[in-house]
Order: sequence, then structure tokens, then C-alpha cells
Amino acid sequence: AQSVAQPEDQVNVAEGNPLTVKCTYSVSGNPYLFWYVQYPNRGLQFLLKYITGDNLVKGSYGFEAEFNKSQTSFHLKKPSALVSDSALYFCAVRELSNYQLIWGAGTKLIIKP
Amino acid sequence: DTAVSQTPKYLVTQMGNDKSIKCEQNLGHDTMYWYKQDSKKFLKIMFSYNNKELIINETVPNRFSPKSPDKAHLNLHINSLELGDSAVYFCASSHITDTQYFGPGTRLTVL
Repeated sequence: AQSVAQPEDQVNVAEGNPLTVKCTYSVSGNPYLFWYVQYPNRGLQFLLKYITGDNLVKGSYGFEAEFNKSQTSFHLKKPSALVSDSALYFCAVRELSNYQLIWGAGTKLIIKP
Repeated sequence: DTAVSQTPKYLVTQMGNDKSIKCEQNLGHDTMYWYKQDSKKFLKIMFSYNNKELIINETVPNRFSPKSPDKAHLNLHINSLELGDSAVYFCASSHITDTQYFGPGTRLTVL
């Protein structure tokens, strides 16, 4: 069965420091992996995705994620955090030709000035 | 020029009432979804339509009924509302199985 784990409910980072939000997944075939961000009282916004190719994927707002097949991980990263990055981040996975996304529980990212 | 729009944004109603939420997308996508986000922020897929055909129908009370009049619209009708239905409901759309784009959400409060 497909599953996604975001092991941290909350991540606290000082402004200007690098940040990492972790995601691990389990699928039976090749994974399609996604990161979304949700700001308070807003809908989810697409950040980036991995389908195939380069393991390092670059997305919106300076975020990037690294696909690691052996560790079945897709961690979200940013070299220098901004206070405005504070939000709820969701990782999601699906298999090829499967309409249904499997969602992680979300990680609250707090960036302190 | 909003990509995925939902109405209403807020919905406050009494238990037992029937209500509808509407969703429209102007992205030219062929697949639309309804999600429920509870108070703990968990996202749960409820339904999905591809070209007006129901393709995902998760375990949801049959008080919830989706309707897709055309590829650009997906509505959600809820009968006999209960307290536990209080949540934020998100509509999303995609081209087949590609990236899903979300609407702003409808916050439903059942009193």
C-alpha cells in the first residue's frame, strides 16, 4: 500500500539558516512526488514535483527537494529561510497512472527572526 | 482570472440543513477533486471526476453527493448536515494525473 510519512509535526528554524522538511514514502512502483505549501486560511499551493530525471528538483520561492530512491525520501530544502516561509508543508506521492495522491500529515514550519 | 474558484468561501449553517459548495476551474483540466481538511489539517480525498466520470469515491457518508455538469465544474451537495461535517473543503483540478491545483477552500461550520 502507498504511504507517506512526515516524521516532524513542527520544524523550527532561525531566519537565514538552511531548512529541511522531511518526507519518506512507500509505493510499489515508481513514485511521483510532490510538495505543497499551505499558508494560514489559504488553499494549498504547488511547490515542486519529481517525476523522473535529475534527483534534485527546484521549485517555487527558492525551495528544492532531493529524491533519494534508496532511502525512499524526498526532503524539502531551502538554503536560507525567510520568516515568510512559515507555513504548513505537505508531501504527497502517487504511482504512475494513479489519480489518487497519498498525503502526508503535514509539517508546520516556523521561521523565527 | 482565478484558476480554481470555490463558492462560498464561508458557510455557516444549522444541523440537519442541506447545502451545496460549487467549484469551477478555468485551467482546461479534465480531472477535478474534492478534499476535506479537518481541524488537525489532515487532508482526505473524497471524490474525483475525470471528464465527468466518477473515478475516486472514497468512504464518505452517502449524505455527500458530487455532481459534475461539465469538465470545468464540480459541485458538492451535502444533505442533513452534522456537527462532524465542519471542516474546510477544497476543490482541486489537474490534467489527467499531473499536478493538482487547489481552490481557496470553503470553511463549513455546522452549529
